Amino acid sequence: QKEVEQDPGPLSVPEGAIVSLNCTYSNSAFQYFMWYRQYSRKGPELLMYTYSSGNKEDGRFTAQVDKSSKYISLFIRDSQPSDSATYLCAMTSYGKLTFGQGTILTVHP
Amino acid sequence: DSGVTQTPKHLITATGQRVTLRCSPRSGDLSVYWYQQSLDQGLQFLIQYYNGEERAKGNILERFSAQQFPDLHSELNLSSLELGDSALYFCASSLALVGTDTQYFGPGTRLTVL
Repeated sequence: QKEVEQDPGPLSVPEGAIVSLNCTYSNSAFQYFMWYRQYSRKGPELLMYTYSSGNKEDGRFTAQVDKSSKYISLFIRDSQPSDSATYLCAMTSYGKLTFGQGTILTVHP
Repeated sequence: DSGVTQTPKHLITATGQRVTLRCSPRSGDLSVYWYQQSLDQGLQFLIQYYNGEERAKGNILERFSAQQFPDLHSELNLSSLELGDSALYFCASSLALVGTDTQYFGPGTRLTVL
């Protein structure tokens, strides 16, 4: 079993939809939780970063962490075609980043 | 643009060969990380260097090695290449040592082993 599980999708939604992306993890040592966005033929870029259970909001993006359930989510409100990318959850413990498989998201006009 | 540069962008080589991938971190960043991304394995951490010293190791094969030079650029050496080594190789850099520090990724090197 992988330490971090993420549904690879693909996920296709209409413009303006609310998107929910999720990851589960098994390693209780994970302390910090991140979401990266990766456009085609580019390196991943950090979207959101959090270390505590609860919600963190940044514009149209909300990251949610539930440490008791070992579950993290990323919500995208009012999704745009420019949000079409692969979204990777990532978690860190003792300096090592572990990534989920990534979810391919397409937002169509 | 993250500020991290990687060369070459693409590399095509044959099985059994050896290649070197190069990474220049963002100005001021002391930590360099190497990752391998393939369709079946996803993005996997290989190794981290901090200010010239190896600091953390992930799923790096013995045929692979890396180093960080005094000017902080890093090289990843892949030898005795196999078909399964075909992947995207990313370098990332961060200011400090700890993994909580934001990592900035380069554009990657696409390696194809024929």
